[in-house]
Amino acid sequence: SQQGEEDPQALSIQEGENATMNCSYKTSINNLQWYRQNSGRGLVHLILIRSNEREKHSGRLRVTLDTSKKSSSLLITASRAADTASYFCATDAWNSGYALNFGKGTSLLVTP
Amino acid sequence: GAVVSQHPSRVICKSGTSVKIECRSLDFQATTMFWYRQFPKQSLMLMATSNEGSKATYEQGVEKDKFLINHASLTLSTLTVTSAHPEDSSFYICSASYVSGGPNTGELFFGEGSRLTVL
Repeated sequence: SQQGEEDPQALSIQEGENATMNCSYKTSINNLQWYRQNSGRGLVHLILIRSNEREKHSGRLRVTLDTSKKSSSLLITASRAADTASYFCATDAWNSGYALNFGKGTSLLVTP
Repeated sequence: GAVVSQHPSRVICKSGTSVKIECRSLDFQATTMFWYRQFPKQSLMLMATSNEGSKATYEQGVEKDKFLINHASLTLSTLTVTSAHPEDSSFYICSASYVSGGPNTGELFFGEGSRLTVL
């Protein structure tokens, strides 16, 4: 069943601005991951953060995890038009066999 | 990173026919593959977990006789949509877990998806 809930559902910003997307989940997790999906394409893994981690960076991406609030955020700094895509958070649990539950996603539009 | 190949990328079929979608892990062995379904502008919904050499585990509400999954080898899983109907039209995505025991354990690699259109 779907666990993650992202907000906002849609976000429109200009190039150079930062984009922040949030994700909340309901049950205990092992990992939380963020994926990107361009329209009609498969998913690209962006970053994985484990339940015992609080923050992780990868290039222009910064992910935070607050297990007490069951929430995570994805920050994209200095956005580019090429960042336009849908972003999903996904969680798995210790007993899920690595199956992921995806949130509804945030549709990000970056205009030049 | 690990590569997962999915074929075909697009398929159009007539109502009542069956369609097979293949998912291959190209440079690693995947004991477990997952099949997801995605409707337009919606999230991915897990359909089933495919384990090599055993029966797939289906999520609640997914008809196992409708969506046949076979995981005959460590690099190939297939999803067959039997007697397809227009409501089966969707984007089907497979993924495979890269279970290395290392820092990226649990990371899933996704195929490019297969868009099925049933007329």
